[in-house]
Amino acid sequence: QITLKESGPTLVKPTQTLTLTCTLSGFSLSTSGVGVGWIRQPPGKALEWLAVVYGDDDERYSPSLRSRLTITKDTSKNQVVLTLTKMDPVDTATYYCAHSPRYYDILTGYHHYYGMDVWGQGTTVIVSS
Amino acid sequence: QSVLTQPPSASGTPGQRVTISCSGSSSNIGSHYVSWYQQLPGTAPKLLIYRINQRPSGVPDRFSGSKSGTSASLAISGLRSEDEADYYCAAWDDSLSGWVFGGGTKLTVL
Repeated sequence: QITLKESGPTLVKPTQTLTLTCTLSGFSLSTSGVGVGWIRQPPGKALEWLAVVYGDDDERYSPSLRSRLTITKDTSKNQVVLTLTKMDPVDTATYYCAHSPRYYDILTGYHHYYGMDVWGQGTTVIVSS
Repeated sequence: QSVLTQPPSASGTPGQRVTISCSGSSSNIGSHYVSWYQQLPGTAPKLLIYRINQRPSGVPDRFSGSKSGTSASLAISGLRSEDEADYYCAAWDDSLSGWVFGGGTKLTVL
């Protein structure tokens, strides 16, 4: 059974760096098609995709936040860490990690992205001085 | 402003069939599978539909998905009160090299 659980600080001050950890269970990020992504949701607003890392070390980021985001995987600990620098009150949100696999079609050389099929419960982050 | 466009709200009475649309472009819906998510109040999103019209185990067959060109739709038949939730569409976007979401549709069961 695949599960993911987010952890990190609830309160951060403006300008600080946020570090969130996603602990994985039931799967490993050592396989190329396996991926773990981060998504956030400000209070009362829509989901916003942030970043994803795959087992082959491929990393992708939201262009609008690319300069502030870093996603890393620690296969030995079965964890994925997201850092977001220069935190601002507009970054106040619930942050989710999710299992996000992709499948490589050897005939076309194309990746197929099926969706985020298992989500963590989310962790709330408030940015305030 | 979300890359994928959804109506902000939808409604129906118990037993009715409702559809929620999701409009994108050639770089996302036009090139990749669409997935749909249901978010009940105060909970994490849950995958409802993937690969356009496939349902994960446990999702009732009242939920179905379709796609035409650069648009997709989620249909819910036999509407039930427990279907009252926010619904989001998503797809991979080649131009942005990442996932994009719709702005979400709040479904009210009258």
